[in-house]
Amino acid sequence: AQSVTQLDSHVSVSEGTPVLLRCNYSSSYSPSLFWYVQHPNKGLQLLLKYTSAATLVKGINGFEAEFKKSETSFHLTKPSAHMSDAAEYFCVVSDGKELTGGGNKLTFGTGTQLKVEL
Amino acid sequence: DTEVTQTPKHLVMGMTNKKSLKCEQHMGHRAMYWYKQKAKKPPELMFVYSYEKLSINESVPSRFSPECPNSSLLNLHLHALQPEDSALYLCASSQGRGPYEQYFGPGTRLTVT
Repeated sequence: AQSVTQLDSHVSVSEGTPVLLRCNYSSSYSPSLFWYVQHPNKGLQLLLKYTSAATLVKGINGFEAEFKKSETSFHLTKPSAHMSDAAEYFCVVSDGKELTGGGNKLTFGTGTQLKVEL
Repeated sequence: DTEVTQTPKHLVMGMTNKKSLKCEQHMGHRAMYWYKQKAKKPPELMFVYSYEKLSINESVPSRFSPECPNSSLLNLHLHALQPEDSALYLCASSQGRGPYEQYFGPGTRLTVT
């Protein structure tokens, strides 16, 4: 079984200040972890992914995340927030098990709404 | 190119109508997915197709009927929907084997009146 906990439902930062979105996971297997971003009335865009290579993962738009197995965490950070970063962010885990017949099942966190203020 | 396209962008239908949602990808992915997303919630998996065969049906009501005509196309046929079925319907695709990331389309905003 796998699960994801996003510790904050809402985060508010000022433009130009650091962003930290927290995520803890639980998985019976070596997990693959992802962060997705969703702007209003849009689909989900992949920000970055961890698949058992380097523990510090760099993504698009200046975001990065660090996989910490001992803490079962995969927090998302960005050094300097921009107004365009305001969106919903989902932490997602895949336990790596292939579904019978192919494909894989993702488990989503409940999401963190990021607000960026001037 | 990591693009998944979905049509239409918006759909309003009555409870007696029949309509279809369409999804297309040209990334050579062999797994395709339908999700339903209500406001302020994460996406919920509905169906998984892998190599054009239905792999998972997450106990979705029969008024939703998926179809995978070929490896690039995925349809969702809708019939006799209820107002509570109003939501954003997202399509996604991934490589067929392994813990690969899924790529999402922009979604179809469905309103059932």
